[in-house]
Amino acid sequence: RKEVEQDPGPFNVPEGATVAFNCTYSNSASQSFFWYRQDCRKEPKLLMSVYSSGNEDGRFTAQLNRASQYISLLIRDSKLSDSATYLCVVRVYGSQGNLIFGKGTKLSVKP
Amino acid sequence: ETGVTQTPRHLVMGMTNKKSLKCEQHLGHNAMYWYKQSAKKPLELMFVYSLEERVENNSVPSRFSPECPNSSHLFLHLHTLQPEDSALYLCASSQDKRGTGDSTNIQYFGAGTRLSVL
Repeated sequence: RKEVEQDPGPFNVPEGATVAFNCTYSNSASQSFFWYRQDCRKEPKLLMSVYSSGNEDGRFTAQLNRASQYISLLIRDSKLSDSATYLCVVRVYGSQGNLIFGKGTKLSVKP
Repeated sequence: ETGVTQTPRHLVMGMTNKKSLKCEQHLGHNAMYWYKQSAKKPLELMFVYSLEERVENNSVPSRFSPECPNSSHLFLHLHTLQPEDSALYLCASSQDKRGTGDSTNIQYFGAGTRLSVL
């Protein structure tokens, strides 16, 4: 079983749509959770951390379910500029700060 | 700009060449990382340096040799690479808890070096 699993997509949605990505992780010792965004041929950039109580940043909402080892990202009112690959990232306790990345979910927002 | 600069941005090399990738961070961090990103694969951690000491080497072949002369600079020396080593090599930095290597803050990535081995 892969450590961090994501649906690769692509998700093709119209502008203004709401889209949700899911991610599951296998290591129950996972401690910190993040969503990174990676544009085509660019480096990953932090989109948001994911907290146990769930958190929101503008149009983006992240949720964590530790019991099910599941993380989600919801994007409301999609913009063309949201087109990118979204990486689910996990840090395991005691892993010397190492991050474990999913393969990413590709989002394409169309006019 | 993320504060992490990588050079060169693109590199083409033959299997018998020796080259080096360079990374410099301007964020005052004390930990640096090398990652490999191949097509259709997740980012793979290669090396971690915390406080200029290597704390993890994820079973990377010896044809990849890292060097961290100070907390702001990281190199990846390459020699006798294989075509399957062609990938995007990303450097990242973060601020670790001193002495533990346990990162409490976010990793910031450079733009990467796209390497092609012929």
